[in-house]
Amino acid sequence: DGGITQSPKYLFRKEGQNVTLSCEQNLNHDAMYWYRQDPGQGLRLIYYSQIVNDFQKGDIAEGYSVSREKKESFPLTVTSAQKNPTAFYLCASLPSSTDTQYFGPGTRLTVL
Amino acid sequence: SQQGEEDPQALSIQEGENATMNCSYKTSINNLQWYRQNSGRGLVHLILIRSNEREKHSGRLRVTLDTSKKSSSLLITASRAADTASYFCATPASGTYKYIFGTGTRLKVLA
Repeated sequence: DGGITQSPKYLFRKEGQNVTLSCEQNLNHDAMYWYRQDPGQGLRLIYYSQIVNDFQKGDIAEGYSVSREKKESFPLTVTSAQKNPTAFYLCASLPSSTDTQYFGPGTRLTVL
Repeated sequence: SQQGEEDPQALSIQEGENATMNCSYKTSINNLQWYRQNSGRGLVHLILIRSNEREKHSGRLRVTLDTSKKSSSLLITASRAADTASYFCATPASGTYKYIFGTGTRLKVLA
């Protein structure tokens, strides 16, 4: 099956801990994205990557970090510097030929 | 900052009725997309309309684009309970790989 996967589906974090959210795609897409969604809100861009070993900050990058060592993978780390990390996190990928993004199922992060 | 603004924020209709939601944006675009999100899930692409198109159809979906007013509308005809979801418009930010999503319209279709 081709697609984009995110894990875990639910994640709980204690204050002061770093956590890493996984995003994997086997669609051979070059670009990948991380968005944050708060209840009843739209999507806000955290980071995006156009190609391997390159990524750019989005609108709300503070307190987050990413890496893009492989085309298939774009993990997001939520650091302790992110003061309000409880949210729904969505990963997406984009083929080079269109403007249509493909989204993963999301990870819901809750800070205890 | 979010460029797209959808209205209404929430819409509740009876099954079989049509649902119309609108999106406004601020800058020039070369296309506009609509996505659907079921509760607690990822977004699914519905339809893309290019700046040189005024109307596009896909099944029960009809999208219009008015570049002079910087607005788009999504019409779902003969709605079904399964259409209950949030709907978002998205536009590419000029000169970048970024996409700007609106705040969404929450549609509830009552059986």
